[in-house]
Amino acid sequence: QSALTQPASVSGSPGQSITISCTGTSSDIGAYNFVSWYQHHPDKAPKLLIYDVTNRPSGVSNRLSGSKSGNTASLTISGLQAEDEATYYCSSYTRSSTNWVFGGGTKLTVL
Amino acid sequence: QITLKESGPTLVESTQTLTLTCTFSGFSLSTTGVAVGWIRQPPGKALECLALIYWDDDTFYSPSLKSRLTITKDTSKNQMVLTMTNMDPVDTATYFCARRGGVTHYYFDYWGRGTMVTVSS
Repeated sequence: QSALTQPASVSGSPGQSITISCTGTSSDIGAYNFVSWYQHHPDKAPKLLIYDVTNRPSGVSNRLSGSKSGNTASLTISGLQAEDEATYYCSSYTRSSTNWVFGGGTKLTVL
Repeated sequence: QITLKESGPTLVESTQTLTLTCTFSGFSLSTTGVAVGWIRQPPGKALECLALIYWDDDTFYSPSLKSRLTITKDTSKNQMVLTMTNMDPVDTATYFCARRGGVTHYYFDYWGRGTMVTVSS
């Protein structure tokens, strides 16, 4: 089972918006509305940001939003802040026997 | 407050068996729908879900690793244990413990910080 494809890195200046893409297949992202996004700061526990494509858990900033079109999901962060600098991972439930598939991660640098 | 914490050896030799423990708080693994599992990330590679154990003792194993994995739980101690046999240098990775909060939850809502395991040849 191949991983979901994410860009290795993205960058933006404070206040700007960035979008991280996550490309899968018709067996995962294209098949289900079960895309989730996670933020990982070094030496911290990964944090759930988005679930079921667009939903934010309680306490997650509304500067973050998720979307999906076909086999590609996206995470948009608006009003970039220094604290947003982290690695972001996408995940999807999948028809394959692995049940879940993850992306390789995108490192966000706030310039 | 829900927390999960991984513990285990940082270094194992090839062919040895790895035993990792996840100790959690703030929820019970006897609550209907809840599952706890292991997700790993080899250096420079994608995350991979290895195994899950559910409140009703049902289990999920990654098909490619199923023959090497055993996941168990001790509800009274709020712990979950993963054993992986016949370790190989390709198993070098950070191993995370994570919770799946319900059977309609197709995501992992709480994670531990992870523990790095290096396999020497």
